[in-house]
Amino acid sequence: DAGVIQSPRHEVTEMGQEVTLRCKPISGHNSLFWYRQTMMRGLELLIYFNNNVPIDDSGMPEDRFSAKMPNASFSTLKIQPSEPRDSAVYFCAIRDGRLSGANVLTFGAGSRLTVL
Amino acid sequence: GQSLEQPSEVTAVEGAIVQINCTYQTSGFYGLSWYQQHDGGAPTFLSYNALDGLEETGRFSSFLSRSDSYGYLLLQELQMKDSASYFCAVRDRNNAGNMLTFGGGTRLMVKP
Repeated sequence: DAGVIQSPRHEVTEMGQEVTLRCKPISGHNSLFWYRQTMMRGLELLIYFNNNVPIDDSGMPEDRFSAKMPNASFSTLKIQPSEPRDSAVYFCAIRDGRLSGANVLTFGAGSRLTVL
Repeated sequence: GQSLEQPSEVTAVEGAIVQINCTYQTSGFYGLSWYQQHDGGAPTFLSYNALDGLEETGRFSSFLSRSDSYGYLLLQELQMKDSASYFCAVRDRNNAGNMLTFGGGTRLMVKP
C-alpha cells in the first residue's frame, strides 16, 4: 500500500450509524479514486477527483454516500446512515506516475466495513 | 457502458503455464490493464496493453487483440505465491480515459 494510507482498516458498526473512511495519499498525484469491492459486484468505482475536484460521482450508490477532498493529501468517504448492504471493502487509489499513458492505479490497503 | 468477461476461477499446478482470458465491450477503447490481488490485499498493477501484441514482464505476459476486443494474461512457471485473483480492467473514453472499469476477477489456485 505504498503511496496511500487508509483508515480505519476494519470497522464494525450498527445499522443507522455514520461511517467515515479516510484516505491519505503520500506520493504526488493529481487524481484520487474511491472503489468498493464486494463478492457480488466486484470492484466498483464510486467517485473520482482530479486536482481535488469531484469529476464523476455516478458510481455513488445513493445520497447516503458522500465524498470530499479538502486538499491533495486527504479524502473522506462518508456513509450516513449506514445499512448492512454497505458492508464491503472500500479502496482508495491514486494515479501512479509510472507509465503515464496507462492510467496505473496504486491502491491503499482498504477499509473493511461491516454493518450489522 | 462497459462490460468485461473473464472466467471466475482457474486451477493449475506449480510449474505449469496458465492463461486467463478477458473479453470486453466498450466505446473508444484506450487500453487493457491487468491487476493482481491476494486474499485480504489490495489490487496491484501487473501490465498494460494499448496496442496489439504481447508484452512480457518476467514470468508474466499480457496480450491484446483490439479487433477481437480480447486480451489474456499468461503466467508461466507457476509458483504457489501466484495464487490470487487477477482482474482485467479497461481504460476507455469515459471521462477522457481517466477511469478504469474492472472485470469480475479470476481466482487462480496453484496446487503443488
